[in-house]
Amino acid sequence: ELKVEQNPLFLSMQEGKNYTIYCNYSTTSDRLYWYRQDPGKSLESLFVLLSNGAVKQEGRLMASLDTKARLSTLHITAAVHDLSATYFCAVVADSNYQLIWGAGTKLIIKP
Amino acid sequence: DTAVSQTPKYLVTQMGNDKSIKCEQNLGHDTMYWYKQDSKKFLKIMFSYNNKELIINETVPNRFSPKSPDKAHLNLHINSLELGDSAVYFCASSVLAKLYNEQFFGPGTRLTVL
Repeated sequence: ELKVEQNPLFLSMQEGKNYTIYCNYSTTSDRLYWYRQDPGKSLESLFVLLSNGAVKQEGRLMASLDTKARLSTLHITAAVHDLSATYFCAVVADSNYQLIWGAGTKLIIKP
Repeated sequence: DTAVSQTPKYLVTQMGNDKSIKCEQNLGHDTMYWYKQDSKKFLKIMFSYNNKELIINETVPNRFSPKSPDKAHLNLHINSLELGDSAVYFCASSVLAKLYNEQFFGPGTRLTVL
């Protein structure tokens, strides 16, 4: 059974600092997604990672995928308050294309 | 030009009532999903339809019944509502066979059962 673990589940940090959120998954998969959710809002797709070594960047966020280690990272560079949100990773279950979701990382960035 | 829409946005009702939530997508996607997000933000897949055919039917009470009249619509009917049904319900859609299979989410329906 495919399981997805994120850590940390909660992160409070100061503006201007760098930090990384980790997403581990238990069995092979060929697709990994990162989503953002603002409080009271819907989920917004950030990145889709398809292959080993894939790296994608958008502004201060950079996501990478290591399929051999079954690990994806979401790196935040010089955090700003607007990045405060809950970040989810999700992995495709090859058997039925279902997305298996991590528990989410609540990120609070203090001015 | 809303991509995935849900109605209603908020739903407050008494225990034992029956209610429905509607979802429509105008993205031309062939697959639609219902998720439940609890108070701890955990996302749980409930159902998925591909071209009007049920492909994912997770372990949920049979009080929950999805219905897909066509590829663009997926409704969720809930009978005999219970306190534990209170949550945010999200509809999503995607193109299943596409390499990315990125899911696009609706705004959510916040259900409160009193």
